[in-house]
Amino acid sequence: DTAVSQTPKYLVTQMGNDKSIKCEQNLGHDTMYWYKQDSKKFLKIMFSYNNKELIINETVPNRFSPKSPDKAHLNLHINSLELGDSAVYFCASSQDTRGRYTFGSGTRLTVV
Amino acid sequence: DQQVKQNSPSLSVQEGRISILNCDYTNSMFDYFLWYKKYPAEGPTFLISISSIKDKNEDGRFTVFLNKSAKHLSLHIVPSQPGDSAVYFCADDRGKLIFGQGTELSVKP
Repeated sequence: DTAVSQTPKYLVTQMGNDKSIKCEQNLGHDTMYWYKQDSKKFLKIMFSYNNKELIINETVPNRFSPKSPDKAHLNLHINSLELGDSAVYFCASSQDTRGRYTFGSGTRLTVV
Repeated sequence: DQQVKQNSPSLSVQEGRISILNCDYTNSMFDYFLWYKKYPAEGPTFLISISSIKDKNEDGRFTVFLNKSAKHLSLHIVPSQPGDSAVYFCADDRGKLIFGQGTELSVKP
């Protein structure tokens, strides 16, 4: 039974399109995150939500909009996709256990 | 500005030997560090952590050492096994995890 699940696993789309990535966790955690791993393999935090409330918003273009309908779900919507958005996006959750996050298996987004 | 740095992108070790992965940090304000392990096509998984009140934490084959004066931590894996081949990230916890660039470990049979 997957703890943090992301869909889709792969996403190939054209520049200018709008797309969404969904994330769900069944661990009962209060906090969820989106991380981006770029082509240089850096893992950088984008957003964090605690109990549906946005608590971290790093320097991310406005084209990226997270949405948390409830504490088990954190979706990422991206408008007007650009080539530079191509990356692997990881969702994660935690329960204030000092940095012990549970990550999903990632969504590889390719913008062509 | 990279606050946590792993200067070795890759490391190759023979099975049964010790693997030592290194990490340097710049900001002493944060007092909790972690190591994560990542296999291809999977998300990172938590491996081991250390608080700055300690200089060593051990969990089976994995030991993390913290040298606060040098702002350096290292992960020792002994003995190394082929299944340990993965990318290892160090991270500091400042209310959000900040990761280093990762070191790809290859353990050869």
